[in-house]
Amino acid sequence: GENVEQHPSTLSVQEGDSAVIKCTYSDSASNYFPWYKQELGKRPQLIIDIRSNVGEKKDQRIAVTLNKTAKHFSLHITETQPEDSAVYFCAASGSDAGNMLTFGGGTRLMVKP
Amino acid sequence: DGGITQSPKYLFRKEGQNVTLSCEQNLNHDAMYWYRQDPGQGLRLIYYSQIVNDFQKGDIAEGYSVSREKKESFPLTVTSAQKNPTAFYLCASSALGGPLHFGNGTRLTVT
Repeated sequence: GENVEQHPSTLSVQEGDSAVIKCTYSDSASNYFPWYKQELGKRPQLIIDIRSNVGEKKDQRIAVTLNKTAKHFSLHITETQPEDSAVYFCAASGSDAGNMLTFGGGTRLMVKP
Repeated sequence: DGGITQSPKYLFRKEGQNVTLSCEQNLNHDAMYWYRQDPGQGLRLIYYSQIVNDFQKGDIAEGYSVSREKKESFPLTVTSAQKNPTAFYLCASSALGGPLHFGNGTRLTVT
């Protein structure tokens, strides 16, 4: 099955700096890559996603890039703000059934004011 | 997301007891899922269902059971066979091929 590795597990940045979180996946047939943000004690919420037919997608301060050849994708947050502090999860859908998502282990992002 | 309701928010049980977690959605989604989240860790898939009266095991199904008698409902039973049941349980739903929408979760503590 699919295996998703996420790095780093924790990331601390100064407010205004950029943050980058990287994920690798194992199933070359995976075609859907969402990113979720989970604030403390709350549900994960989708912040951006990308499908395998594009290499980059941007939404305001958030962007995701995908390299299918290398089987990795990354989340980029620019001009970070304290409210960006949360745990971020990447995920990939494998080829075996529907849109079954396999999640990475998460990255705890801390934005220091 | 108000479309997915998990109850209760907190649940306490004694070891050896079965317990059922509720998940209801009014988004008309075909697919529903149960994930387990342990402190500082990612989400692991327990069971999923893509259609009424059918469900499949996820990566960590041992000690759990589910039913999908109605499209809107996908209850999860944590049985006494689950060796380490204390965790945060998240239910999700999706349209087939669409993104997951999560409920607020149930925090289960077994002592």
